[in-house]
This record gives sequence, C-alpha cells and structure tokens, in this order.
Amino acid sequence: DQQVKQNSPSLSVQEGRISILNCDYTNSMFDYFLWYKKYPAEGPTFLISISSIKDKNEDGRFTVFLNKSAKHLSLHIVPSQPGDSAVYFCAASNTGNQFYFGTGTSLTVIP
Amino acid sequence: EAGVVQSPRYKIIEKKQPVAFWCNPISGHNTLYWYRQNLGQGPELLIRYENEEAVDDSQLPKDRFSAERLKGVDSTLKIQPAELGDSAVYLCASSSSRTERGSKNIQYFGAGTRLSVL
Repeated sequence: DQQVKQNSPSLSVQEGRISILNCDYTNSMFDYFLWYKKYPAEGPTFLISISSIKDKNEDGRFTVFLNKSAKHLSLHIVPSQPGDSAVYFCAASNTGNQFYFGTGTSLTVIP
Repeated sequence: EAGVVQSPRYKIIEKKQPVAFWCNPISGHNTLYWYRQNLGQGPELLIRYENEEAVDDSQLPKDRFSAERLKGVDSTLKIQPAELGDSAVYLCASSSSRTERGSKNIQYFGAGTRLSVL
C-alpha cells in the first residue's frame, strides 16, 4: 500500500524554465513533508521541507507547496539548471520519525 | 563534518550466502535508520534505532535479517541466508532531534550498499 505517490516517473525541462514535480499522499495524518534529491551512485540528499501548518516554503530556487485538502504537494524549481538533473523523492511523516517515500521522479534539465 | 559512511559500496554474493553491511552515522546523531531501495522504488524502512534501542523493526524480515547498534553509534545489518529477492540498495541514514537548519528529523543518507545476489 503506497501511501506516498509520485505518478510521473520522469520529466524533461529546458534550462531556465520552471520544473514542477508532483506528489500525492493518502494518509491525512501526515504532518511533515520533505523533498530529497538523488544523483546516481549517491544517497538521497535533503532539499526542502514543509510542515502541515504551512502551505508554502521557499529556499532560493526551490519552493514547496502543500495543499492539505487535496493531499498534494509540489516542488517548483525556477529557473531550472542542468545540475538539477536528478531523481527527486518526496517523503511524508506523521510522527516525525518514520518517513514514507514516493517512487521518485527523474528530472532532466536540457541545456 | 563527515557524512554518513557506509561500507562496502558494492557486494556480489551467491544466494544462501551471508552478507553484512556497516554504517557510521553523523557524529551526535542519535537516530539511525536502515532502508532498502529496490530498483525504481523509493526507500523503505527496515529498522530504526534511537541510540542503541531498536524502536521500529516492524518491516525487518526477522527470519533472515538482523541488525545491531552497539554503543549507540555505528550499526551493522546482516542477511543470512541471502535470497535472490534481496538484491537492492541498502541505505543507512541518521538524524538528530534538531539540525543546523532548524528543522527537526531531517535524515541524512549515506551512499548506500548495492547488493547483488546471484
């Protein structure tokens, strides 16, 4: 039973344009959400997080939006850069300790 | 600051053989996680430690998997005997109650051990 879903396995975007990665979850008790970025042969690295008391969190080129009623969050990257090409995982938690990960979206930024 | 260190990076074994993975978390991180990541999937939690205590091992296949975290620092994960379906990347992560970013429970991952069972 996949509680966190990333329905787009891959996404291609031109350099300089906006990348939008989507994530849906089923458990309404989730209250903390994170995005991780993963390069080949490396472990996931933390990118940005958001608490359920907020609907937006911004860090430089990265913004995460949370829509609790729709159980949906998205990651916006603008402007996209070739170095952003990686697999992006969203994760959710309801205890702050156990996280459930999506299956990932592979982003390719085309120079 | 050194990150989470895992070894070996790669391991190829024949089925029914034992295998062990080692993880050294970030210094000062009291929580340690072992995840398994199958191809095309996200990481799935196997076990979580708070210091030396395993507080969540509900997803650990206990008939063949075991883990320990002596002294609440580094940890080992063992599979005995390995099966073909155990081929995956095994990730270790650690976290503290509060990080330098001011957000709690951000998990920092090691590079993982890629296991191939033939």
